[in-house]
Amino acid sequence: GAGVSQSPSNKVTEKGKDVELRCDPISGHTALYWYRQSLGQGLEFLIYFQGNSAPDKSGLPSDRFSAERTGGSVSTLTIQRTQQEDSAVYLCASSLGGNGYTFGSGTRLTVV
Amino acid sequence: GQSLEQPSEVTAVEGAIVQINCTYQTSGFYGLSWYQQHDGGAPTFLSYNALDGLEETGRFSSFLSRSDSYGYLLLQELQMKDSASYFCAATSMDSNYQLIWGAGTKLIIKP
Repeated sequence: GAGVSQSPSNKVTEKGKDVELRCDPISGHTALYWYRQSLGQGLEFLIYFQGNSAPDKSGLPSDRFSAERTGGSVSTLTIQRTQQEDSAVYLCASSLGGNGYTFGSGTRLTVV
Repeated sequence: GQSLEQPSEVTAVEGAIVQINCTYQTSGFYGLSWYQQHDGGAPTFLSYNALDGLEETGRFSSFLSRSDSYGYLLLQELQMKDSASYFCAATSMDSNYQLIWGAGTKLIIKP
């Protein structure tokens, strides 16, 4: 597609429920990144996919978080047993190389 | 570790010039990028410096000095729409060419 697409744009969930966030990167972009951003804060790295290499999961905050990227394209970030501290905007970005990230509009997750 | 330092907030007047500084401690440093993020929006790419010197793109310029581990973003003829957060980010070969991000500088523009 023309840009990075994320869905849903907003998600309200009850504490303890599982959520899935989707990212559709720019076609042909080999790198895909997930970040988390709380209000007024910087970007917190979560996970990085590069081509067929094993993903860099070093930023995932707990084992409740997981992500996969199917066919080198669409990625899904799953949060199990959501907690209130998981509330944030989840941003996905893709790039051809190490520079010029293109971000999606994000998913605003609210855990109540 | 890998880190970038930038001021948390800068205030300037419409029509003026403002400089946002960024110092980095990044192993395997490859280049420095700048991103703009408006409230409620996603970060958008502004500029990238791989070599020392000044890169100019319209009203925005970005500078890099590798020997000083320092860069800055210069915004000229400030407009109210430039009110946003600005992030510097370093490309690190030691981090698989990922971007290492600064915490962002909130630019407040007064009329």
